[in-house]
Amino acid sequence: TQLLEQSPQFLSIQEGENLTVYCNSSSVFSSLQWYRQEPGEGPVLLVTVVTGGEVKKLKRLTFQFGDARKDSSLHITAAQPGDTGLYLCAGEGKLIFGQGTTLQVKP
Amino acid sequence: DSGVTQTPKHLITATGQRVTLRCSPRSGDLSVYWYQQSLDQGLQFLIQYYNGEERAKGNILERFSAQQFPDLHSELNLSSLELGDSALYFCASSVGGALEKLFFGSGTQLSVL
Repeated sequence: TQLLEQSPQFLSIQEGENLTVYCNSSSVFSSLQWYRQEPGEGPVLLVTVVTGGEVKKLKRLTFQFGDARKDSSLHITAAQPGDTGLYLCAGEGKLIFGQGTTLQVKP
Repeated sequence: DSGVTQTPKHLITATGQRVTLRCSPRSGDLSVYWYQQSLDQGLQFLIQYYNGEERAKGNILERFSAQQFPDLHSELNLSSLELGDSALYFCASSVGGALEKLFFGSGTQLSVL
């Protein structure tokens, strides 16, 4: 069974700090997606990565897919309170989701 | 607004009961996914339909069933409810195909008392 493990599970930081969250697996994935979920809402897709070593940027968010396509990271530069939410990685056609990283950015 | 509509938003019921959750996908989307989200299990895939046909099945209990109708809306039926079935149930839709983007509804919060 393919599993996605995310770390850390919870992160509380001050506005302006940088952070990285990780999504790891022992299995190879053909693609990985990152979603952000806010309270009371469903997850919203941020990015899809498909090529080993691929790096994608979305404003202050940088996503990287591992060379072996077994892991991915999300780096946020100068975090803002609006970044607060649950960050989820998903693999294999969105059928498998990680447990998520809950990010709290304090003003 | 994702364009995916789920009803009801909240549902409170008792153990042993049966409930039906409804999902209307985005206009033009043929694929519907159902997920269960709880604090201890995270977001778990239940089942996927594509244009009325079951496409993939996850860890869906035998007490749960789903269908997608000709107008593409979908229903998730949960029966013989147990306390542990209390969770957020999400529906998502997509056009269908490789690397498709999922659009999630706002979910149905089910509380089994």
